[in-house]
Amino acid sequence: DAGVIQSPRHEVTEMGQEVTLRCKPISGHNSLFWYRQTMMRGLELLIYFNNNVPIDDSGMPEDRFSAKMPNASFSTLKIQPSEPRDSAVYFCASRPLADSYNEQFFGPGTRLTVL
Amino acid sequence: EDQVTQSPEALRLQEGESSSLNCSYTVSGLRGLFWYRQDPGKGPEFLFTLYSAGEEKEKERLKATLTKKESFLHITAPKPEDSATYLCAVQGGSNYKLTFGKGTLLTVNP
Repeated sequence: DAGVIQSPRHEVTEMGQEVTLRCKPISGHNSLFWYRQTMMRGLELLIYFNNNVPIDDSGMPEDRFSAKMPNASFSTLKIQPSEPRDSAVYFCASRPLADSYNEQFFGPGTRLTVL
Repeated sequence: EDQVTQSPEALRLQEGESSSLNCSYTVSGLRGLFWYRQDPGKGPEFLFTLYSAGEEKEKERLKATLTKKESFLHITAPKPEDSATYLCAVQGGSNYKLTFGKGTLLTVNP
């Protein structure tokens, strides 16, 4: 049983470049979450999707960040243009919508370094 | 706004030396308190969910307890493989948003 899949696992880019992070949730999970983890701020929720629809994007830091979920098995998080302060580990997590008070399942993360 | 504070930030134990990690929280209408384990370079791995004060859950050498203001993760006779960062999170009035603490980095020396 494959868990949440994220790609790439590591991304190094230069300031100003576009970065796209990808996530495949667990099959049958219709809630999807994007998080960012830094030493200073810990794990922070960026955006939440239910049935492919963005419900809460209040955690997206600014307009340079955008997220899409074109279907139930794929989501992207895009940063354009990227800045050094975007360097962090980005996690995707999923959960069945019906289990609203149960655990979220996390992917392995993408470590982003913006030079 | 929900808040979670974990202490200590780091804890170093000898193998077999039992201890506890603390998670203090403020939340409007607790729906669940979650403990996760995170190994270096990996995503958080679910351990426990506690839903109401007085509840306790156990898994191997770990036991989680919950009061109205805090949760403890008790580690009995830890082994080096228990070394990891332990994260606590709360879910308040919403049905989706988890607020995480910054974690406790546990190191167990052989």
